[in-house]
Amino acid sequence: LAKTTQPISMDSYEGQEVNITCSHNNIATNDYITWYQQFPSQGPRFIIQGYKTKVTNEVASLFIPADRKSSTLSLPRVSLSDTAVYYCLVGGLTGGGNKLTFGTGTQLKVEL
Amino acid sequence: KAGVTQTPRYLIKTRGQQVTLSCSPISGHRSVSWYQQTPGQGLQFLFEYFSETQRNKGNFPGRFSGRQFSNSRSEMNVSTLELGDSALYLCASRAAGGGRGGNEQFFGPGTRLTVL
Repeated sequence: LAKTTQPISMDSYEGQEVNITCSHNNIATNDYITWYQQFPSQGPRFIIQGYKTKVTNEVASLFIPADRKSSTLSLPRVSLSDTAVYYCLVGGLTGGGNKLTFGTGTQLKVEL
Repeated sequence: KAGVTQTPRYLIKTRGQQVTLSCSPISGHRSVSWYQQTPGQGLQFLFEYFSETQRNKGNFPGRFSGRQFSNSRSEMNVSTLELGDSALYLCASRAAGGGRGGNEQFFGPGTRLTVL
């Protein structure tokens, strides 16, 4: 199983770019990297998914180096509403459910 | 389109009892996955059902079981409850494929289970 490591918490201010890194040293060849956002009393919400290099959508970017042993979620110009827990997920349901490994989550706090 | 719904939202049981949780996926989604979330262990994958068949399974004891009906609704059952089963149980659905890697899932709000 791919073990993931994320910072426990991060602080930022509105308008800044936030980068959250996830380490996954024993990622398997078929594993994808996915990031989710979770607010209190809600289920996680899909943010972005990638396999290698860079992926960008309307809310975030995901950077994955060539060795794929880590990944960085980049949130441009955060706002107060981005205060949440962010989870890194390595693996994939199509690759076998018992390979799904969530990180411990990073609590992001955004202040004015 | 309505999101994933879970019932009940809160549940209190005592040790040794059993419990059944229900999940209705987004219309058209045939895959339903279940997760357990606790402060100590974080988010852990329980199992996935697709077209009424269990397709993937995490590392949980046999006391945790599930099933899926022809309308894609799913139930999860936990028998002989233990104190450690107290957790938020999340259900997630995804469309066929779910994106490459299959991880674009849509989560429900969860069922908060407390075992006394």
